[in-house]
Amino acid sequence: SQQGEEDPQALSIQEGENATMNCSYKTSINNLQWYRQNSGRGLVHLILIRSNEREKHSGRLRVTLDTSKKSSSLLITASRAADTASYFCAASNTGKLIFGQGTTLQVKP
Amino acid sequence: EAGVVQSPRYKIIEKKQPVAFWCNPISGHNTLYWYRQNLGQGPELLIRYENEEAVDDSQLPKDRFSAERLKGVDSTLKIQPAELGDSAVYLCASSLPSLGTDTQYFGPGTRLTVL
Repeated sequence: SQQGEEDPQALSIQEGENATMNCSYKTSINNLQWYRQNSGRGLVHLILIRSNEREKHSGRLRVTLDTSKKSSSLLITASRAADTASYFCAASNTGKLIFGQGTTLQVKP
Repeated sequence: EAGVVQSPRYKIIEKKQPVAFWCNPISGHNTLYWYRQNLGQGPELLIRYENEEAVDDSQLPKDRFSAERLKGVDSTLKIQPAELGDSAVYLCASSLPSLGTDTQYFGPGTRLTVL
């Protein structure tokens, strides 16, 4: 399988805490993207970081990228119950996205 | 702006039966993707279209799966005959690479159960 690995597979935290999830990929990339999937729904794009960038912020999201280690992390600060979902990283190479296996995040109110 | 539309949302069939899924991408998006997502896994690309041309179908099981994108807009994915292992969520996505990003916009998916 070409799919990358995500760690942890599942994460349960209290509202207000920070959540960190990690992703490793196998191919060279143009960019790396993170998506969220609520139960029974399609994926929603969260943030994109280009291969020449090391860190990017968007609201409560912070993404880092280490191309030498082929890894990325997503930090969600001050989590809310509405952040409960599955989160997927996707390595982009020549227009093709290769998704990781996802991290399931549960935020308890 | 309307998002990616897929139908049906759910489909239950018996093995060896045919099934078809329909997708209407975001207006103006020339690139369309079909993915399969197994339970607890990330989506895996089946086929990618640029306009009406299939530019990447290397992961499409061509013995039983077929797809078409007539006129470069709507697309249909067909399985004939379905097998038990085809039970999954089938996602359609679209993008407009000319905007300088390959961000994809996903539909809600069709959940297929093969009995």
